Amino acid sequence: EAQVTQNPRYLITVTGKKLTVTCSQNMNHEYMSWYRQDPGLGLRQIYYSMNVEVTDKGDVPEGYKVSRKEKRNFPLILESPSPNQTSLYFCASTSAGVESAQYFGPGTRLTVT
Amino acid sequence: AQSVTQLGSHVSVSEGALVLLRCNYSSSVPPYLFWYVQYPNQGLQLLLKYTSAATLVKGINGFEAEFKKSETSFHLTKPSAHMSDAAEYFCAVTYFSGNTPLVFGKGTRLSVIA
Repeated sequence: EAQVTQNPRYLITVTGKKLTVTCSQNMNHEYMSWYRQDPGLGLRQIYYSMNVEVTDKGDVPEGYKVSRKEKRNFPLILESPSPNQTSLYFCASTSAGVESAQYFGPGTRLTVT
Repeated sequence: AQSVTQLGSHVSVSEGALVLLRCNYSSSVPPYLFWYVQYPNQGLQLLLKYTSAATLVKGINGFEAEFKKSETSFHLTKPSAHMSDAAEYFCAVTYFSGNTPLVFGKGTRLSVIA
């Protein structure tokens, strides 16, 4: 079954404690991205990756890092989380070509206190 | 640059009534347009997409959308609302298939009243 998985699904942490949210896809897609969803703001792209070792900033990259060492994995790293990073995070994987579509993970709800 | 405007952050319809969710886009090149649905506590699911083929696009769950270049619109419709359609709906635009980012609208929450 084609899917995008994220872990953890829920996380409560404290300001400044480094954390990583993992994302993995089994569809051999080259393009992956991270979004955050906030009420009234829709989804905003944090970072994206067009292939292994190729990453670039999206609309709201401040306070986040990513890496793409393997095609299937695209972890999101918060080196020093702050309360304004409390949000719902989605990883997405995109198929290429005319029939492209983004496949979204189930989401990670992060609370930073 | 691409952008999307969804008119109405909250739309409420009666069960059995027409659903109309509005989306207008801005793009300097021919767009690819998408509608996604998000049910409570779930991720996003693709409803339908326009990729420069037929202007009337049919999706899942009885939804369809029509691409109107002259109006720069891609409104989502369903003839008869069902209680299970209650969710948040997002319109999104990109300009190339595959490896380009999607730009999302802010979403429209659809409520269905019995």
